[in-house]
Amino acid sequence: NAGVTQTPKFQVLKTGQSMTLQCAQDMNHEYMSWYRQDPGMGLRLIHYSVGAGITDQGEVPNGYNVSRSTTEDFPLRLLSAAPSQTSVYFCASRPPEPNQPQHFGDGTRLSIL
Amino acid sequence: AQSVTQPDIHITVSEGASLELRCNYSYGATPYLFWYVQSPGQGLQLLLKYFSGDTLVQGIKGFEAEFKRSQSSFNLRKPSVHWSDAAEYFCAVGAVGAQKLVFGQGTRLTINP
Repeated sequence: NAGVTQTPKFQVLKTGQSMTLQCAQDMNHEYMSWYRQDPGMGLRLIHYSVGAGITDQGEVPNGYNVSRSTTEDFPLRLLSAAPSQTSVYFCASRPPEPNQPQHFGDGTRLSIL
Repeated sequence: AQSVTQPDIHITVSEGASLELRCNYSYGATPYLFWYVQSPGQGLQLLLKYFSGDTLVQGIKGFEAEFKRSQSSFNLRKPSVHWSDAAEYFCAVGAVGAQKLVFGQGTRLTINP
């Protein structure tokens, strides 16, 4: 079972560049989300989606865009990378019920120079 | 708003010793509570969850957690740790009608041989 797949695993960008972090799940989960993980701060929610065509902001959405055109894919776009966006990014998915656990990808480690 | 506090940033225990990781949450309604474990360079793996019923829940790898409503706590325990338990542990809270999952800051566990 592939589960949640994130690409790339590592990326280095220069300030001002844009890029898209990819996330795909094969479990037919309606709910998908993006988190960033920074030392001492746990995981903070960036954006989430409750189904195709529906997205909403999380705790730290500034500088990031998302779209959800299919159930399987939930890409995260950095519009103009800044050093403050250096982080590890995790994508997760779950069934629609909030009491169901989220399944996480292995993360994308992103460095902005 | 939901919040989660893990008071211990770093804990060191000897192999074979017992373990308790603390988690306190703040939420008005009955919460959904989760413990996740993250090995270095990996995504998060679910250890256990609570959303109703028996307040003592069993998880994978010999872990258990007890929900104490009066103390707003959901502490994780293991009677005898193994070197392979060295990892970072995250407590998270969700709730009925809330799509977002809020994570604590994490507790890093080191095992002494």
